[in-house]
Amino acid sequence: GQNIDQPTEMTATEGAIVQINCTYQTSGFNGLFWYQQHAGEAPTFLSYNVLDGLEEKGRFSSFLSRSKGYSYLLLKELQMKDSASYLCAVRDSNYQLIWGAGTKLIIKP
Amino acid sequence: TAGITQAPTSQILAAGRSMTLRCTQDMRHNAMYWYRQDLGLGLRLIHYSNTAGTTGKGEVPDGYSVSRANTDDFPLTLASAVPSQTSVYFCASSAGLTLHTDTQYFGPGTRLTVL
Repeated sequence: GQNIDQPTEMTATEGAIVQINCTYQTSGFNGLFWYQQHAGEAPTFLSYNVLDGLEEKGRFSSFLSRSKGYSYLLLKELQMKDSASYLCAVRDSNYQLIWGAGTKLIIKP
Repeated sequence: TAGITQAPTSQILAAGRSMTLRCTQDMRHNAMYWYRQDLGLGLRLIHYSNTAGTTGKGEVPDGYSVSRANTDDFPLTLASAVPSQTSVYFCASSAGLTLHTDTQYFGPGTRLTVL
């Protein structure tokens, strides 16, 4: 079966750095997405990786290793507004997105 | 621009009743999707449409039907609601022009409770 694993919850301090990991086992791979979802709101797109390596976008970076079935989202200079759930999704061989359950990130002052 | 709108925002429905969740996008996107999101689970695809006039089944299609009469609208119908269909429903759309980089954009969601 297809599986996306992320930690359920993480806690970090304002101003610090946090890394959210995602491991996947899917039938085929056609890209990996990270979305942010604030409580009670819709998911919003953060990043996309299809080749190995690091993609940097401001305070957020996303890394992919296809051989290891592994990605991480790195958030720097954490702000209180970064408190949200972060969803990892993989596009499979049928070009459908398979979603992880999400990681709830709690930021403390 | 509005992007994607969904209606209603929330609804309480008696078991056995039917209901249609509405979704409209103004981005002229080819592809549209319906997901349900339940606590502790990832988003699960119910139905999708790659272009107007076509639809396909996702991971959890039973008890739901869709239609795609035009580019903008993609309604989801529950013919006879059951309590297990209590969930938050998200509609999404994507340009659908490229397979790899195609990014989905989500509506605000409909919170449905079936009693």
